[in-house]
Amino acid sequence: EPEVTQTPSHQVTQMGQEVILRCVPISNHLYFYWYRQILGQKVEFLVSFYNNEISEKSEIFDDQFSVERPDGSNFTLKIRSTKLEDSAMYFCASSEQAPVGEQFFGPGTRLTVL
Amino acid sequence: DQQVKQNSPSLSVQEGRISILNCDYTNSMFDYFLWYKKYPAEGPTFLISISSIKDKNEDGRFTVFLNKSAKHLSLHIVPSQPGDSAVYFCAASRTGAGNMLTFGGGTRLMVKP
Repeated sequence: EPEVTQTPSHQVTQMGQEVILRCVPISNHLYFYWYRQILGQKVEFLVSFYNNEISEKSEIFDDQFSVERPDGSNFTLKIRSTKLEDSAMYFCASSEQAPVGEQFFGPGTRLTVL
Repeated sequence: DQQVKQNSPSLSVQEGRISILNCDYTNSMFDYFLWYKKYPAEGPTFLISISSIKDKNEDGRFTVFLNKSAKHLSLHIVPSQPGDSAVYFCAASRTGAGNMLTFGGGTRLMVKP
């Protein structure tokens, strides 16, 4: 069964460093998303991406964040200068269709900012 | 922001009985609702969804009910199995919002053998 994969599973970084989280969405999906979950809190939407453009972004997704689909398979989230409060689980998701449709999530990357 | 709320942080049921998980929302613009199951150290797994034009959707042991007037949805699991023990999240989206999902806080379901 096709699945969303994410690498790395765990990333530890120093405050102020740049990190890139990687995702491989399901191959025939056209819509891509990033969410995060801070420990003990809700899963929060960050950004949606379609046709090489951001479709929607939340208030969390400020200038420190960017997304890219560098090739036909990868979808990345970059945090330019990490802060302590960026520590969270980051989930990538993809869906076949929009405006509504089931999103399929990857296993997540745990980001720890020291 | 409490647009989607799950008021019960946990629920315990006996194997074979019905599990009912509840979810309330405040934004009347939501038109699509989903339930996800999540195990520790894994991503959310899609279970079942319902469009706002329906009031019920069934898939095997899982049934989702939607009451638009009350802005309430519920997930019924019958019969409950120990493998159903997980955290269940409801989520909502609305047309024109980039398919953004707004999640509830989750309900931890424990099914006792």
